[in-house]
Amino acid sequence: EAQVTQNPRYLITVTGKKLTVTCSQNMNHEYMSWYRQDPGLGLRQIYYSMNVEVTDKGDVPEGYKVSRKEKRNFPLILESPSPNQTSLYFCASSSRTGNSNQPQHFGDGTRLSIL
Amino acid sequence: GNSVTQMEGPVTLSEEAFLTINCTYTATGYPSLFWYVQYPGEGLQLLLKATKADDKGSNKGFEATYRKETTSFHLEKGSVQVSDSAVYFCALRGNAGNMLTFGGGTRLMVKP
Repeated sequence: EAQVTQNPRYLITVTGKKLTVTCSQNMNHEYMSWYRQDPGLGLRQIYYSMNVEVTDKGDVPEGYKVSRKEKRNFPLILESPSPNQTSLYFCASSSRTGNSNQPQHFGDGTRLSIL
Repeated sequence: GNSVTQMEGPVTLSEEAFLTINCTYTATGYPSLFWYVQYPGEGLQLLLKATKADDKGSNKGFEATYRKETTSFHLEKGSVQVSDSAVYFCALRGNAGNMLTFGGGTRLMVKP
């Protein structure tokens, strides 16, 4: 079954404690991205990756890092989380970078609470 | 830059009522337009899309027409069901790359 898998689904942690949210896709997609969803703001892109070892900033990259060492994985790293990073996070992937017709496939989301 | 504006929710309807969720956009060139649906506790699922002016996307009784003259992509359904209760996101993707720009989302609540 084609899917995008995020872990964990829920996490409550404290300010400053490094955390990583993993994302894995089994569709051999080149393109992967991370979004955060906040009430009234829709989804805003944090980082994206066009292929292995190629990453770039989205609209709201501050406080986040990513890596793309393998095609299937695209972890999101919060080196020193702060309360304003409390949000619902989604990973997405799609094929054929540069083709605007291809829809993105989303994971089920990770709800982070930073106290 | 690109932007998408949706009507604010929540939208509350009775079962079998007609649904319209407005969406307008600002973009250069000829973007592709999408509607995504998010059911409670789940990620976003593509509902329908349109890739050029006057295209009509349709799925599960929902439809939306790409209107370039009014820069709109309004979502409609003739008769909603309780199971349609969800959050609906309008989105666009420009010609360069895969980046999606989302609207703020509209929560739909359908009562029996």
